[in-house]
This record gives sequence, structure tokens and C-alpha cells, in this order.
Amino acid sequence: NAGVTQTPKFRVLKTGQSMTLLCAQDMNHEYMYWYRQDPGMGLRLIHYSVGEGTTAKGEVPDGYNVSRLKKQNFLLGLESAAPSQTSVYFCASSSPQRGLAYEQYFGPGTRLTVT
Amino acid sequence: DAKTTQPPSMDCAEGRAANLPCNHSTISGNEYVYWYRQIHSQGPQYIIHGLKNNETNEMASLIITEDRKSSTLILPHATLRDTAVYYCIVRSSNFGNEKLTFGTGTRLTIIP
Repeated sequence: NAGVTQTPKFRVLKTGQSMTLLCAQDMNHEYMYWYRQDPGMGLRLIHYSVGEGTTAKGEVPDGYNVSRLKKQNFLLGLESAAPSQTSVYFCASSSPQRGLAYEQYFGPGTRLTVT
Repeated sequence: DAKTTQPPSMDCAEGRAANLPCNHSTISGNEYVYWYRQIHSQGPQYIIHGLKNNETNEMASLIITEDRKSSTLILPHATLRDTAVYYCIVRSSNFGNEKLTFGTGTRLTIIP
């Protein structure tokens, strides 16, 4: 199993440009998440999804949109990139079937720079 | 979810046990304690979690005090590959509460 994969690994955008980050998981997990991590800080939740076709806002959702059209994929979109969105973006997935307490599995991250 | 307090950094000699403390004095009855680590900007890696009993797996042991206000993650024989930032997270088990709140964690350095 590849686990959680993220595409692309690196990207540089100009202010105002748009892009989509792709997260894919092959573990048949119901839940998927997008986090961002700024230098020297912990991760903050942007959006998450508890199932195909459903999404919800996390702690820092402004400036981002998400879609979960297929169970294995979770897309994060930036419609008009801003320098404040320069960060490392991590995707994660988890499965609640194992009980109420369950771990999240993280991807390797996408390093985004907005100039 | 309850807040956690961790020391910003710790050193440990290679081969010794690394004991990482975490305070979570406002933890409530249905909140679990989770530990994750992040090695050199990679994605965080789950280590262990517990509710009130001590837990052990192939990676580490988790000791939770009887009043549940603090816990200690123990890496029994630390290696250089255990150098990482370790996050202690408290999260309720309520369905729909999916947020993991990461603080700044403890930067553990294993010294040869």
C-alpha cells in the first residue's frame, strides 16, 4: 500500500494564481483532512471530510475550497493565492471503524510558496 | 478539547530511555491522549494513544497519571532516528469531533 500520497510535492505560485492540491489514499478510509503547517508551528486543520460528497470547515478554512468526489481522493483548491498561504500542506486520512479513538495517517506534504 | 503543555526541547543519550512529559490538567472524562511525532518536516506519524490505562506498543509506552492530568511518553531505547518533534494531543471521542489540535510540541534530540 502507498498509504497517503500528495501531488505535487513542491509548487511556486504568483499572487492571484489558482491551483489544486491532490490527496489520494488507498486504505479505504472514510475520513480525510487537510492541514497547513507554518514555520515553527504545529499543524492547523483547514477542512475535512467524513465521507464521499461531504466536507466541513476546520480551524482555518478561509481562502480554501475542498471537494471529495471519490472516497479515495480529497482535493484542496486555492482560487486566488496570497503570500499568507505560503506553507506546507499535509493531507491525512483515518478510519472510524476501529473504534472511537483512531489514528490519522499523514501524507508527505506539499511545500507551497506564493510570491 | 483540553490544552496541553510540553517542554519546548529535550536531549537524550542514544540507547537511553527518553521520557517526554505532557500536562493536560483540564482533560475531561471522554478525552483521549494521543502522541504523534514529526521527523524533519515529514508528515506526522502516529505513535500511541490512551484513555486512562497505561499503554504499550512496538514504538513506545504511554503512562497516564491516575488523575489523568499528565502523561509521559517513553521511548525505551532511543536511537538517532527518534530525533523529532513530539506532539501530545488531547481529543474527545465524540463522533464528529475530528480535529487534532497540534501545539508546538517537544523537540527531542538524541545525542550519540
